[in-house]
Amino acid sequence: GQQVMQIPQYQHVQEGEDFTTYCNSSTTLSNIQWYKQRPGGHPVFLIQLVKSGEVKKQKRLTFQFGEAKKNSSLHITATQTTDVGTYFCAGLDDKIIFGKGTRLHILP
Amino acid sequence: DSGVTQTPKHLITATGQRVTLRCSPRSGDLSVYWYQQSLDQGLQFLIQYYNGEERAKGNILERFSAQQFPDLHSELNLSSLELGDSALYFCASSVTGGAEPQHFGDGTRLSIL
Repeated sequence: GQQVMQIPQYQHVQEGEDFTTYCNSSTTLSNIQWYKQRPGGHPVFLIQLVKSGEVKKQKRLTFQFGEAKKNSSLHITATQTTDVGTYFCAGLDDKIIFGKGTRLHILP
Repeated sequence: DSGVTQTPKHLITATGQRVTLRCSPRSGDLSVYWYQQSLDQGLQFLIQYYNGEERAKGNILERFSAQQFPDLHSELNLSSLELGDSALYFCASSVTGGAEPQHFGDGTRLSIL
């Protein structure tokens, strides 16, 4: 069945360093969404990518959708303590499938 | 505040019991989703409803069932509970249930003793 794999599972970075999480699907997706879940909180929608090769930016966050619409990435430039949390990708085919998430820890 | 309301916030019960989790979607949203999140696990999609009808099914066990009522609130029923059912259960809602953002509630934490 359809699978969405996300790597890495955990990432520790020094504050100010960059961070990237990758999402790969076993099937072509109609779109991909990214969510952030703060510790003890609920997932919050960040962005949706629809077009092949699409790149979107939100301040220090850059989101990419692969040309084949089977992979995506989220890159954070110069991480801050407020970036702590788990970042999930969610691929939409006939139904939505969430990756297991990447938990980001920031070292001060 | 996402506008999605889940009750109760916490639930503690014993193996073999049955519980009902409740979700009120954001005003104007017609679709409701249920997810299970276990410790250090991602979000497992359980089931989706749109305007009272089941739209998509994920990894939902036969011991679990759900429904969406005419007023659009939804209930997730979990029966013959096992220790492994301990998890955080999230409800999310969206306007049409298609390719659009989902808005999550704060979740119900279920603990099975």
